[in-house]
Amino acid sequence: DAGVTQSPTHLIKTRGQHVTLRCSPISGHKSVSWYQQVLGQGPQFIFQYYEKEERGRGNFPDRFSARQFPNYSSELNVNALLLGDSALYLCASSLVNGGNTEAFFGQGTRLTVV
Amino acid sequence: SQQGEEDPQALSIQEGENATMNCSYKTSINNLQWYRQNSGRGLVHLILIRSNEREKHSGRLRVTLDTSKKSSSLLITASRAADTASYFCATEQLDSSYKLIFGSGTRLLVRP
Repeated sequence: DAGVTQSPTHLIKTRGQHVTLRCSPISGHKSVSWYQQVLGQGPQFIFQYYEKEERGRGNFPDRFSARQFPNYSSELNVNALLLGDSALYLCASSLVNGGNTEAFFGQGTRLTVV
Repeated sequence: SQQGEEDPQALSIQEGENATMNCSYKTSINNLQWYRQNSGRGLVHLILIRSNEREKHSGRLRVTLDTSKKSSSLLITASRAADTASYFCATEQLDSSYKLIFGSGTRLLVRP
């Protein structure tokens, strides 16, 4: 069975540009979450979507947005990129929304803003 | 901000020795989970322990949870070079079960 897949794996963008990151959850999983991991730190929560609705949002500016599609895949969009947005962006899927369920992570997208 | 603090930040041991990592958190939780991360790539789920559980085992892993002290420990027995990685604890809080809050991680080096 395929795990959580993310694309692209690496990305280099210039300050001010826009980026779209993609995530396909494990088959049957309806919940997708996005995390940002800056080098040397633990992941920080950005968004959670369940059944195509936003269920939670972390402390990130409005330049960050996301959506979930009918097939439960998801996109994370970041506008007006800043150098500080350089990080590993991780997507996680789970069967349901919270409730003591395991979250399975993809390999991440490494975003470098220059 | 991050919920958890992990201790130690870095740990270097010889193959075959046991490795113990600790995690402290601040608020009431539904569960606490441990993850492994190799070379800055994806996180691998190791074990989940619910707030009403005190100890859990999985292979060479043993996790304890003390909700009165808001702390957890991860013990890896008979370590192997392949266990070299960063280990993170993550909590699912009572009032925000839609997200995991991660600690800062412990970097484990197992020397052959």
